Amino acid sequence: EDKVVQSPLSLVVHEGDTVTLNCSYEVTNFRSLLWYKQEKKAPTFLFMLTSSGIEKKSGRLSSILDKKELFSILNITATQTGDSAVYLCAPRNNTGKLIFGQGTTLQVKP
Amino acid sequence: GAVVSQHPSWVICKSGTSVKIECRSLDFQATTMFWYRQFPKQSLMLMATSNEGSKATYEQGVEKDKFLINHASLTLSTLTVTSAHPEDSSFYICSATQRKKLTGGENTGELFFGEGSRLTVL
Repeated sequence: EDKVVQSPLSLVVHEGDTVTLNCSYEVTNFRSLLWYKQEKKAPTFLFMLTSSGIEKKSGRLSSILDKKELFSILNITATQTGDSAVYLCAPRNNTGKLIFGQGTTLQVKP
Repeated sequence: GAVVSQHPSWVICKSGTSVKIECRSLDFQATTMFWYRQFPKQSLMLMATSNEGSKATYEQGVEKDKFLINHASLTLSTLTVTSAHPEDSSFYICSATQRKKLTGGENTGELFFGEGSRLTVL
């Protein structure tokens, strides 16, 4: 059975802190891993990772995938209150199906 | 970027009625669309995979007769919650993979989500 575990489940930090969110997975016919940010409505796309060891960056966010150890991390540097959200990790298999983790709830305090 | 439009965004209905939710890919063809359900403070759970022109593939535990999915064209999929009951109240989200962009551009293989539909059954 496919499994995705995110940690921590919740995190409270202050503005300016750096956070690292973890995602470990066991997915049959794995093809890629996607990270999403969910605020009040539907998730918004952050990254798609297909290759090990290649960091993807977008502003203060970065992410990397390790297909040998079956995990990915999402880093956010110099956090801002607007980063407060649920961050979802979702490995995708060869049929395009996404298997979502339970999410990490990040709260950034001023 | 690719846009997936979902309608309605919010619906309240009486118990026993049926509700239809539409999901449209606005500038790309989506041969496959996915329907998710999300309960409060929980993650997204895949309900079914909708393929254009064929029957949907439902996940284990999802009732096919209760959640009717139709994928009539490359840009439209619908989810009908039949004889809705209060326990069906949830946030329903569709998504689609950008396989081919109608207006040109890069096919990134990303999965785009609709805005979601919040269903409340009284």
